[in-house]
Amino acid sequence: SQTIHQWPATLVQPVGSPLSLECTVEGTSNPNLYWYRQAAGRGLQLLFYSVGIGQISSEVPQNLSASRPQDRQFILSSKKLLLSDSGFYLCAWSLKGPGEKLFFGSGTQLSVL
Amino acid sequence: KNEVEQSPQNLTAQEGEFITINCSYSVGISALHWLQQHPGGGIVSLFMLSSGKKKHGRLIATINIQEKHSSLHITASHPRDSAVYICAVRGNQFYFGTGTSLTVIP
Repeated sequence: SQTIHQWPATLVQPVGSPLSLECTVEGTSNPNLYWYRQAAGRGLQLLFYSVGIGQISSEVPQNLSASRPQDRQFILSSKKLLLSDSGFYLCAWSLKGPGEKLFFGSGTQLSVL
Repeated sequence: KNEVEQSPQNLTAQEGEFITINCSYSVGISALHWLQQHPGGGIVSLFMLSSGKKKHGRLIATINIQEKHSSLHITASHPRDSAVYICAVRGNQFYFGTGTSLTVIP
């Protein structure tokens, strides 16, 4: 069966420090991968999605970047965190084709202080 | 304006009550999803539907494509149903509602 792992679960970082959040998927190949951010009182905001290795699409200009070095690995990064980067980050994956269904990781609560 | 609007934002019910959460959307979609987010943050998919009605245990989801509206019903609600319920639609990307926070009181 397919599983998705996301870590860490919580992270407290100072302003200006770098960030690396990692997400891996098991039990499937060539998935679509997504990074979402959920701010309090707001819906999930798509940050990045990837349809294949090295293929990254950014939906919102910001201080973050994403990479997909392997088929089932998706990394969210920042060189210098801002206070506004605080939030709940969710990785998700889906199979390609009709009936696309999203499967979410457990999320990372990032606090930038 | 959000592509997906949910109502109510917050809902408190007594155990055993019948609950309805509504979702309206403004974009063309291939499917609509109902998701459940527990206090720890993890999100699970409850339903994916593109027409009609689906039922899973005490949960029922309906969709009216012409009216661009979906409802999630919970029959005989229980405290363990307390969670945030999120409506999402698949248009040219996934769009999400802001969620309905449900609290079921024993």
